[in-house]
Amino acid sequence: KAGVTQTPRYLIKTRGQQVTLSCSPISGHRSVSWYQQTPGQGLQFLFEYFSETQRNKGNFPGRFSGRQFSNSRSEMNVSTLELGDSALYLCASSLSGSDNEQFFGPGTRLTVL
Amino acid sequence: GQNIDQPTEMTATEGAIVQINCTYQTSGFNGLFWYQQHAGEAPTFLSYNVLDGLEEKGRFSSFLSRSKGYSYLLLKELQMKDSASYLCAVYDYKLSFGAGTTVTVRA
Repeated sequence: KAGVTQTPRYLIKTRGQQVTLSCSPISGHRSVSWYQQTPGQGLQFLFEYFSETQRNKGNFPGRFSGRQFSNSRSEMNVSTLELGDSALYLCASSLSGSDNEQFFGPGTRLTVL
Repeated sequence: GQNIDQPTEMTATEGAIVQINCTYQTSGFNGLFWYQQHAGEAPTFLSYNVLDGLEEKGRFSSFLSRSKGYSYLLLKELQMKDSASYLCAVYDYKLSFGAGTTVTVRA
């Protein structure tokens, strides 16, 4: 079956702009989690969605938001971009939550100039 | 808060055994994951321990001691393809990851 897909794969933005990233989970998976990965901070949890509801949120400012649609596809949005938002953004899907095996997508590499 | 510690780097020879330790001090605990991440790729699941003890899966084994806040991942019969970063993650209704241990396998 098809894996987790993320679009776009690469993105370059400037400070102050906003960006929307998309994630399509594996068919049948209802949980989607988002992570930020940087060399300095490692892999950090952003939020988890299950059946269109945000189930958990990490310690990120309100500029980071997300949503999940009825087909389980998810988007995350970052507003008022800062240089420090440059990172690899990974989404992961699982059948019922992050206490199950998660399948990660290839990520979106965001560069903020 | 969450504090998850693992060594930064380890080097071992092909065919050898390597043990990657992970210690954690977290506000809550419901289980511990190990993920493997090759350079430039996404993490892939290796194991999930909820109860104390050893879980074996082929060449990889994972151990958990909840009372000691300690886990290890054991890689046996190392192969070149095992060169990767190994991430320890504590689950408490969300995942908190350690910084990862980069394992280099030399011929």
